[in-house]
Amino acid sequence: SQQGEEDPQALSIQEGENATMNCSYKTSINNLQWYRQNSGRGLVHLILIRSNEREKHSGRLRVTLDTSKKSSSLLITASRAADTASYFCATVPNSGGYQKVTFGTGTKLQVIP
Amino acid sequence: GAVVSQHPSRVICKSGTSVKIECRSLDFQATTMFWYRQFPKQSLMLMATSNEGSKATYEQGVEKDKFLINHASLTLSTLTVTSAHPEDSSFYICSAPEDTDTQYFGPGTRLTVL
Repeated sequence: SQQGEEDPQALSIQEGENATMNCSYKTSINNLQWYRQNSGRGLVHLILIRSNEREKHSGRLRVTLDTSKKSSSLLITASRAADTASYFCATVPNSGGYQKVTFGTGTKLQVIP
Repeated sequence: GAVVSQHPSRVICKSGTSVKIECRSLDFQATTMFWYRQFPKQSLMLMATSNEGSKATYEQGVEKDKFLINHASLTLSTLTVTSAHPEDSSFYICSAPEDTDTQYFGPGTRLTVL
């Protein structure tokens, strides 16, 4: 079953603009991760944020987590055409051991050069 | 970083045949691996958890006799799609956790059943 819902489902922006994607989830989590997937390809892990963290940065990526609202956002600053891909949030539940990563519905980002 | 490989990367088969997909952790041991399926333009859906030394755990709605999983060693899990039909055509991705925080995904296998 899907844990997360993401919005928007699709996003089209001009190169240089910022892109923001949101993810909502349903259950208590250990951590939340964001992945990128280019069309027809495998997943690329972007960033992990733990349940006790509120914000995390990695290069042009900024992720926030609000556990009270069960939501997260991914901000890509100064977007590039190469950022065109689908982005998925994924949650790991808070019950110890190796956990199933459950994916959200995804946001398809198009960056127009 | 650690790598998970899948083989084959793509396979085309006739309806009614069985197809085996391998997932290997290349430089770490994985007692647990996960198998996902992704239909076009959709998200990844967890199919099953592969456990080394014990039976796989299947998600609700996934037929265990249809999707046979064997965790043969600490670095290898296989998914066999038995008696494949066109509706089984999909992108199959495995993952292997290195620790409780870090999970590596394979590059995926695209299955097309004619």
